Amino acid sequence: DSGVTQTPKHLITATGQRVTLRCSPRSGDLSVYWYQQSLDQGLQFLIQYYNGEERAKGNILERFSAQQFPDLHSELNLSSLELGDSALYFCASSVAAGAYYNEQFFGPGTRLTVL
Amino acid sequence: SQQGEEDPQALSIQEGENATMNCSYKTSINNLQWYRQNSGRGLVHLILIRSNEREKHSGRLRVTLDTSKKSSSLLITASRAADTASYFCASSYSGAGSYQLTFGKGTKLSVIP
Repeated sequence: DSGVTQTPKHLITATGQRVTLRCSPRSGDLSVYWYQQSLDQGLQFLIQYYNGEERAKGNILERFSAQQFPDLHSELNLSSLELGDSALYFCASSVAAGAYYNEQFFGPGTRLTVL
Repeated sequence: SQQGEEDPQALSIQEGENATMNCSYKTSINNLQWYRQNSGRGLVHLILIRSNEREKHSGRLRVTLDTSKKSSSLLITASRAADTASYFCASSYSGAGSYQLTFGKGTKLSVIP
C-alpha cells in the first residue's frame, strides 16, 4: 500500500459525459501528479499540482482539467468523453515539487471505460 | 514522446534465474526510477537511482545507471514466480521545473515455476 488513495476504482460511462476522479496523496506529500495509461500511448504524464497550484502540464487534453484543494486532495475532471479516453488514470504523490531524489508513489488507479 | 525505452519488451525465465532489463532515455535526468506493475493494477515503486550514482541495491534488485550512454539496467536475482509483472523505468528530467516522470513502454517479465 503506497498510501495514495484513488476513487472510484472503476467507472463506466457513455460518450459525451463528464466524470470526476479523486486522489488523496500520502500524508505530508505536497505534490500530486496525474498520469494516464492506455494500450496505445502507454503511461503519460497529464498534469502536476504542488501545494494547491498548477506546476506543470503534459499531454493533457483541453477537455480535461484538474485542481488541488487546501487539504491537498486532487480531482481530475474529464468532460465530453470519447471512446479513446478509456484508460487507467493514476495519481501519484511526492514530498516536494521537484527534488534530486524525489520518489513518486502511485495510487491503485481508476479504470475508466467509455461506452 | 516517450523518453525511456525498455529492452526487451518481453522476457520469460525459469524460477531461480536472474532477469535483466534495460532502459534507455534521451535527455539529461535528475534521477531514474523503476516500477513494477502487476496485470492492470497499480504501480509499485521499486528503486530510485540519482544521476550521480552508478549502482544501487535493494534486496534482490540491482540497478545500474550509465549517464554517458543514457541507459539503466534492472537486475532481479533468484527470480520467483511472484516477480511476474511488467517493469517500467521512468526518468525524471531537469529543466522542466516539474520533475514529472517519463515512462518507457515496459518489459513484461514472466517467471515460470
